[in-house]
Amino acid sequence: ELKVEQNPLFLSMQEGKNYTIYCNYSTTSDRLYWYRQDPGKSLESLFVLLSNGAVKQEGRLMASLDTKARLSTLHITAAVHDLSATYFCAVYMDSNYQLIWGAGTKLIIKP
Amino acid sequence: GAVVSQHPSWVICKSGTSVKIECRSLDFQATTMFWYRQFPKQSLMLMATSNEGSKATYEQGVEKDKFLINHASLTLSTLTVTSAHPEDSSFYICSAYREFSGYTFGSGTRLTVV
Repeated sequence: ELKVEQNPLFLSMQEGKNYTIYCNYSTTSDRLYWYRQDPGKSLESLFVLLSNGAVKQEGRLMASLDTKARLSTLHITAAVHDLSATYFCAVYMDSNYQLIWGAGTKLIIKP
Repeated sequence: GAVVSQHPSWVICKSGTSVKIECRSLDFQATTMFWYRQFPKQSLMLMATSNEGSKATYEQGVEKDKFLINHASLTLSTLTVTSAHPEDSSFYICSAYREFSGYTFGSGTRLTVV
């Protein structure tokens, strides 16, 4: 059974700081997604990482994937208040197209 | 880009009544639709997977007679919560999957049963 561990579950940080969210998973997968969720809203797609060593960046967010280590990271650079949200990683299961979800990281960025 | 229209956005219903949630893929055909529920401050929990023209596959612990899923066409999937009770109150999200294109999420439905 594929398990996805995301940490930290809660992160409070100051604007301007850098931090990383980690997503570990237990079995082989070659595709991983990162999503953002604002309170009361649905999921917003941030990144899809398709291969080992994949790195994608959008603004202050950068995601990477190491399939050998079964680890993905979401790095936040010089955080701003607008990035406050809950971030989820989700690992793709090609046997049934399902996504296995991490528990989510609630990120609060203080001005 | 691909859009999945989910309605209603929120609904309040009396205990014992049924509620239907619709997810419609606009401008594309969704071969597979996933239905999730999400409790406050928790992750998404997969309820069922539906493919057009076939019966939905429910996850363990999800009552298929209570949560009726219909995927009658490649652009429409519905979830009906039958005889709703307060414990069914939750945020329900659909997600359409297309091979090579990935996932498109609906905007979610906030169900409150009183």
